[in-house]
Amino acid sequence: DGGITQSPKYLFRKEGQNVTLSCEQNLNHDAMYWYRQDPGQGLRLIYYSQIVNDFQKGDIAEGYSVSREKKESFPLTVTSAQKNPTAFYLCASRRTGGDTEAFFGQGTRLTVV
Amino acid sequence: SQKIEQNSEALNIQEGKTATLTCNYTNYSPAYLQWYRQDPGRGPVFLLLIRENEKEKRKERLKVTFDTTLKQSLFHITASQPADSATYLCALDMGSNYQLIWGAGTKLIIKP
Repeated sequence: DGGITQSPKYLFRKEGQNVTLSCEQNLNHDAMYWYRQDPGQGLRLIYYSQIVNDFQKGDIAEGYSVSREKKESFPLTVTSAQKNPTAFYLCASRRTGGDTEAFFGQGTRLTVV
Repeated sequence: SQKIEQNSEALNIQEGKTATLTCNYTNYSPAYLQWYRQDPGRGPVFLLLIRENEKEKRKERLKVTFDTTLKQSLFHITASQPADSATYLCALDMGSNYQLIWGAGTKLIIKP
């Protein structure tokens, strides 16, 4: 089945640690996105990529980093510079060309302990 | 910058009635407007897309309208069921950079 997979579903991070969230898709989509969702707020864009080996900062990129070495994969690293990382993280992909829906993974809930 | 407003308060509807959710935006009209459903602890799931030159779109019990004069989209669920209880998000697609601009969502509760 085609889809987008995020792992892990739950992640705990100690203060000062970097952690990497995985996102893999087999939908052959060019565009991939990382969003952060906090209670009562809309999805806020962290990073997005429209093509392999290229990505752009979104609205809240500080403290995060990404890579896009393969079309299928778009991992997100939450660095120790991110002061408030506890949140629900969502990865999504879309076909490019407009007029297309976004497909989301199941999400990763990150908690700082 | 473009802003989106959805009712922040939960909407309580009796089973069998029509639920109507609102999405208002400022500034420029998007090329497309999309509606998604999100269940707790899960990613959003796409429901419907409407283009700026379309007034209405239907899919089974769902109906979306798009009024570029009022800068508003309405999302209707007819014959609502408790299983329709979820948070519904609207998203604007301005047609450039392939980004979507998201509303905060409205929580819909259908009471039996």
